[in-house]
Amino acid sequence: DAKTTQPPSMDCAEGRAANLPCNHSTISGNEYVYWYRQIHSQGPQYIIHGLKNNETNEMASLIITEDRKSSTLILPHATLRDTAVYYCIAEYSSNTGKLIFGQGTTLQVKP
Amino acid sequence: NAGVTQTPKFQVLKTGQSMTLQCAQDMNHEYMSWYRQDPGMGLRLIHYSVGAGITDQGEVPNGYNVSRSTTEDFPLRLLSAAPSQTSVYFCASRFNTGTHGYTFGSGTRLTVV
Repeated sequence: DAKTTQPPSMDCAEGRAANLPCNHSTISGNEYVYWYRQIHSQGPQYIIHGLKNNETNEMASLIITEDRKSSTLILPHATLRDTAVYYCIAEYSSNTGKLIFGQGTTLQVKP
Repeated sequence: NAGVTQTPKFQVLKTGQSMTLQCAQDMNHEYMSWYRQDPGMGLRLIHYSVGAGITDQGEVPNGYNVSRSTTEDFPLRLLSAAPSQTSVYFCASRFNTGTHGYTFGSGTRLTVV
């Protein structure tokens, strides 16, 4: 699986968009990009995933660059409850079932 | 639909004791995994399974055994507990189609004294 690189921490003002970057320059053509988050000590929560097209769901939007070497998770109107550690992971679509977490980005949403 | 259920939620063991952490899911997910998370650290994969009867090692398998006799259950066994196994353990499951991410349980907080 491709290695992903994320900034260790970011701040965002409440009500503003939070844009979390992820670099995956060695990603292969059949690897999906998945995003999860972990709020405090709870179990991680799946947010969104994509292959090459931009994706949007009720939680967030995922923008993947055309060369697929990086992506951005967008929380359009961050709230204090969005304060969490966000993980970007590349996983083979051939479904090995093996999901390896990196260090993630700690997002602090401030009032 | 209960999702992923982990039991117990808390456990204290003495060094050398053995125990089994239970994980059950009622979503008919083919894939299941176990992770541990040490204080202030990220999640590390212990073992995972892509279906009943099939298991494989993750990043930190030593000291743990798993089996997958049914689709629903994926127990994690600590053979001889050590203080280094003090951690929070998370179980997760998902379909094999990759159309959605993993669903995680709420965790088991284990302390080995």
